[in-house]
Amino acid sequence: ELKVEQNPLFLSMQEGKNYTIYCNYSTTSDRLYWYRQDPGKSLESLFVLLSNGAVKQEGRLMASLDTKARLSTLHITAAVHDLSATYFCAVDISGSARQLTFGSGTQLTVLP
Amino acid sequence: DAGITQSPRHKVTETGTPVTLRCHQTENHRYMYWYRQDPGHGLRLIHYSYGVKDTDKGEVSDGYSVSRSKTEDFLLTLESATSSQTSVYFCAINPRRGGYGYTFGSGTRLTVV
Repeated sequence: ELKVEQNPLFLSMQEGKNYTIYCNYSTTSDRLYWYRQDPGKSLESLFVLLSNGAVKQEGRLMASLDTKARLSTLHITAAVHDLSATYFCAVDISGSARQLTFGSGTQLTVLP
Repeated sequence: DAGITQSPRHKVTETGTPVTLRCHQTENHRYMYWYRQDPGHGLRLIHYSYGVKDTDKGEVSDGYSVSRSKTEDFLLTLESATSSQTSVYFCAINPRRGGYGYTFGSGTRLTVV
């Protein structure tokens, strides 16, 4: 059974600071997704990481994937209040249907 | 989200009543999924479909059934709703194109009283 663990679950940080969210998964997979969710809203796709060593950046967010360590990171640079949201990582289960297994989410609050 | 809609957006129902949630897509994608979201659990897969009349169970399928008679519609039914099924339900489609994330519907907030 695939398990996906995120940490921290709650993160409160000051504007302008840097921080990293970690996503560990328990079995082999070569596809990892990061999503953002604002309160009461749906999930918004941020990054799709398809291979070992993949790195993607969008604004103040950068995601990376190490398939050998079964680890993905979401790095936040110089946080701003607009980044306050819950962030989920999700991993494909291998197979034809490619279901996603999600981490529990990291609730990020950026304080002024 | 563009191409995928869920209905209803909100529903309150009584314990023991049947409830059907609808997911409609305009993208003609083969793969569709139903997830539920609860605090502390992220999203958990209920059922998924890989084609018309082709469905399978997910992690938390007990108490739920699904049907897909057309490519564009994927229905989730709670045969006899219980309070433990109070949750937010999301439908998703999988474009199965490299580099594209799954697209999620807006969600249905279901309360069973």
